[in-house]
Amino acid sequence: QSVLTQPPSASGTPGQRVTVSCSGSTSNIGIKTVSWYQQLPGMAPKIIIYNTNRRPSGVPDRFSGSKSGTSASLAISGLQSEDGADYFCAAWDDSLDGYVFGTGTKVTVL
Amino acid sequence: DVQLLDSGGGLVQPGGSLRLSCAASGFTFIDFGMHWVRQAPGKGLEWVSSISGSGDDTYYADSVKGRFTISRENSKNVLYLQMNSLRAEDTALYYCARLDNNAFDIWGQGTMVTVSS
Repeated sequence: QSVLTQPPSASGTPGQRVTVSCSGSTSNIGIKTVSWYQQLPGMAPKIIIYNTNRRPSGVPDRFSGSKSGTSASLAISGLQSEDGADYFCAAWDDSLDGYVFGTGTKVTVL
Repeated sequence: DVQLLDSGGGLVQPGGSLRLSCAASGFTFIDFGMHWVRQAPGKGLEWVSSISGSGDDTYYADSVKGRFTISRENSKNVLYLQMNSLRAEDTALYYCARLDNNAFDIWGQGTMVTVSS
């Protein structure tokens, strides 16, 4: 089951800033780092943020991550058409002794 | 190139068994913990299981505990998932993934498992 809660959808026009939230608890986001994944239709997920706010090489700097308490956020600034995709957050959960994923957010570029 | 290649999926009847494989290449396999993540059709991602680099430590989601077994053969750079007592709700695309810096940085292409009579 998904322990991390995300909004089902988010949208913006090209060039706008879009934010996706990820709400967890004291057993996961509150004490562990968060990662974010982008999934295009029919494709495997791709990592875009690790260790809460680090970008892998090759990921555009318009993607950024942050965390406050038991919630994390992914921001996409300067939204581009190719950013339309599903986005998932993830973190280790100490109570479950396993990783948990967010419910997923579909970002639409209007 | 760093790569993971999933295989072994298929159609199986409820109660049946299946073994998935994930062939790794392009990196030192034993240095990384490996995971299985699944995605039911039209649904989100669900973590299934993980194994440490040495194979000594394993973890399972409650939904598969007692039915699935994760293992690895480091001499062949292969990760496995033995799935027994399969249920309709196990129907999903199964991905293997490498863990680095507390994140799944490399993913396989996925192998589809369908449990149906």
